[in-house]
Amino acid sequence: KQEVTQIPAALSVPEGENLVLNCSFTDSAIYNLQWFRQDPGKGLTSLLLIQSSQREQTSGRLNASLDKSSGRSTLYIAASQPGDSATYLCAVMEYGNKLVFGAGTILRVKS
Amino acid sequence: DAGITQSPRYKITETGRQVTLMCHQTWSHSYMFWYRQDLGHGLRLIYYSAAADITDKGEVPDGYVVSRSKTENFPLTLESATRSQTSVYFCASSDPTGATLSGANVLTFGAGSRLTVL
Repeated sequence: KQEVTQIPAALSVPEGENLVLNCSFTDSAIYNLQWFRQDPGKGLTSLLLIQSSQREQTSGRLNASLDKSSGRSTLYIAASQPGDSATYLCAVMEYGNKLVFGAGTILRVKS
Repeated sequence: DAGITQSPRYKITETGRQVTLMCHQTWSHSYMFWYRQDLGHGLRLIYYSAAADITDKGEVPDGYVVSRSKTENFPLTLESATRSQTSVYFCASSDPTGATLSGANVLTFGAGSRLTVL
């Protein structure tokens, strides 16, 4: 059974810092890995999708990497802003288009 | 409006009652999903559907029933609600072909339905 772990569970940083969120998964037989953002009381917003054959994806200040063989992904956020405060969820896609989620990292960026 | 909508957004019910949560998407995505989100468990898959009239169990299907007679709708029914089913329920859809604007295999989520069972 696939298990996805995210570290740290919570993170508080001052504005402007660069930061890294970590995600690990136990079964490397994945189709892709996706990072989502969730604001309090809201749904999930897709940030980045990395195909299993890719090593990284970038969108603005966000960069996600994937090392499928070691079962690890990182989400790098450059020059963090208070508006980045949210819960960040990592999920891997298995057969059947199903996503298995980690528990998330709660990020707080202090102004 | 284009998108994926869930209703109701908030529901309070009593133990033993039947509750149906609705999900409607306008993209003609073939895949639809129901997840529940609970503190300490993250999001867990309840049921999913690859196409109309095709449904399959996820990780936590017990106590739930789904149907998909039309591509755009995927209702979730709690036949006899229990307190342990108090949760936030999210519906999602995806297109594995990449033919739609959301991109291949990108799941798009609804805003969620918060259910409280007393």
